[in-house]
Amino acid sequence: KAGVTQTPRYLIKTRGQQVTLSCSPISGHRSVSWYQQTPGQGLQFLFEYFSETQRNKGNFPGRFSGRQFSNSRSEMNVSTLELGDSALYLCASSKGAEAFFGQGTRLTVV
Amino acid sequence: AQTVTQSQPEMSVQEAETVTLSCTYDTSESNYYLFWYKQPPSRQMILVIRQEAYKQQNATENRFSVNFQKAAKSFSLKISDSQLGDTAMYFCAFMTENRDDKIIFGKGTRLHILP
Repeated sequence: KAGVTQTPRYLIKTRGQQVTLSCSPISGHRSVSWYQQTPGQGLQFLFEYFSETQRNKGNFPGRFSGRQFSNSRSEMNVSTLELGDSALYLCASSKGAEAFFGQGTRLTVV
Repeated sequence: AQTVTQSQPEMSVQEAETVTLSCTYDTSESNYYLFWYKQPPSRQMILVIRQEAYKQQNATENRFSVNFQKAAKSFSLKISDSQLGDTAMYFCAFMTENRDDKIIFGKGTRLHILP
């Protein structure tokens, strides 16, 4: 059974650009969550989607957005990138009270 | 709001020893889930063990066990017969029963297993 797949694994972007990250959940999982991990703030919840609907959102600015498709794949977008957006972005796929994480996308903003 | 606190930023133990990682949390909920996740240098977040708050029995997974004290809001992880492969960041985490799938993580404990 394939795990959670995140693409790309690494990204380097310039301030002001936008970026789109992708997450393919485990087959049969309809819930996808996104987290930002930084050395200073640790792991912070961004948002969660279930059956194409955003059910929950963390305390991030509107530059951070996401969506989920009918096949449960999810994308998150960050517009007008700032240096502080440099982080590891983790996606989690859930079924019941158990979340399985992808290997993350390391985003570096220069 | 729920919070999770891990008071040990870093720990080191010798291989084959037993180590206990501490975690406390704060919530007004009565039913919830608690987790320990392991994040090795590969960055993959791996679920180590899960505890349902309504279960009094402490969860166990092979060499990993927890000491869940609901009244004290404490959830420690014990690793027995530690192995070099246990070297990683360990995160204590919390999720409410309503399963909104929002996991709240502690800051983590960096564990070094020394040969």
